[in-house]
Order: sequence, then structure tokens, then C-alpha cells
Amino acid sequence: QVQLQESGPGLVKPSQTLSLTCTVSGDSISSGNHYWSWIRQPPGKGLEWIGYIYYSGSTYYNPSVKSRVIISVDTSKNQFSLKLSSGTAADTAVYYCARGRAGEAFDSWGQGTLVTVSS
Amino acid sequence: QSVLTQPPSVSGAPGQRVTISCTGSRSNIGADFRVHWYQQLPGKAPKLLVYDNRNRASGVPDRFSGSKSGTSASLAITGLQAEDETDYYCQSYDRSLSGYVFGTGTKVTVL
Repeated sequence: QVQLQESGPGLVKPSQTLSLTCTVSGDSISSGNHYWSWIRQPPGKGLEWIGYIYYSGSTYYNPSVKSRVIISVDTSKNQFSLKLSSGTAADTAVYYCARGRAGEAFDSWGQGTLVTVSS
Repeated sequence: QSVLTQPPSVSGAPGQRVTISCTGSRSNIGADFRVHWYQQLPGKAPKLLVYDNRNRASGVPDRFSGSKSGTSASLAITGLQAEDETDYYCQSYDRSLSGYVFGTGTKVTVL
């Protein structure tokens, strides 16, 4: 059974870069069967898809964050990562990594990690 | 930046039937992209409930059912139970954004 686990700092200062990693077990990113996404949820609010990466390294980002985001993959470690630059309080959220197929549902999610942007 | 609209809340008595609507546009649901539904318990990650408009995920009771018509979709819960009281989100793909979109979310209250 696939499991996803987010890791990274829980506190980021304003204007700095938010960095998170998702470690996948029970499935191989390099199998090419799925797309790997980052999704966030501000406290008390709804879900926002940030972007996805394929095992080949191809990515697509939500236009709302496209200028500030980079998603990368390390198939040797079966991990993918998120970097969101120029952090502001609006980036404070629970960040989830998730697995899905192109255009389809997210069938597996990490437990989520809260990142707070504050001085 | 949700492009799929859901009612903020719905409620019903135990055993009753409630429905949650998800209204989109010709750029997403109306463009024949599939709709998926998630249940999110407090402090937990969303859990896939219904995928591809009407298919229940593994282990999901048949009290939950999904449907889609035109630019909208619906999730119905029949035989409402206390454990169903939580948040629900719809999700689809948007052609204009070339990305995934979620609904605004609905809180179900069991009276």
C-alpha cells in the first residue's frame, strides 16, 4: 500500500523560501504510472492544487503560484520536493503531497504538514 | 481561487438523505472532465470518496453516491449517520487553467 510522507521546516520567515519533501513508499515514482502533486490548505479554508511532476521531470504549476514555485523529483530516493519562494503570510497552510493519474483523482495523500510564514 | 462552487453547509437528521452540489463551467465539468469527491475529517488529509463521477473508492459505503450532469455534479448521502458530519470537497480538471481545481467545500451537519 502506497504511503506518502511530507517533511520540512514548520516555520519560514517572510520573503524566504518554503521547502518541503515528500517521500513515497509502496510505489515507485519512476514507474511512470502516476503524477505527483502538491496541494495546500490554509487554516480554516479550502484546498488549492499547487502543481505536479512526472517521473521524467516534466511539471505543471497552478498559474496563481507559477512565478514562485519549483517542483523537482529525485527518483533514486523516491522523493519529490516543493520550493515556494518569496513567502508571505498567505502561504501559511497545511501542505499535502498526493498521487494521481493525469486528469484523474488523487487516490493517496500524505498526512500533511503545517507551514507557518511568520517572523 | 476555487472555480467549483459548493454550498457552505448542508444538514439533515440521522437516516435522512442530503445532497451536495458542485457547480462548474464549460471549462471544467462541462468540458466532460470527470468529477471526484473527497471527505475530510478534522485535522486529517482528504480521503477519496467517489471518483470518475460515480464510482465509490475502495471501502466506501454504498450510502455515498455521485452523479454528474452538464456543468454540475452532486454527492448524495443516504441514511445519514453521525460519523458523516465533516467536510466534503469536489474536484475536477480545468481546461483554461490546464490544472486541477477543487470545490469551495461543504460542511455536513447531522442534526
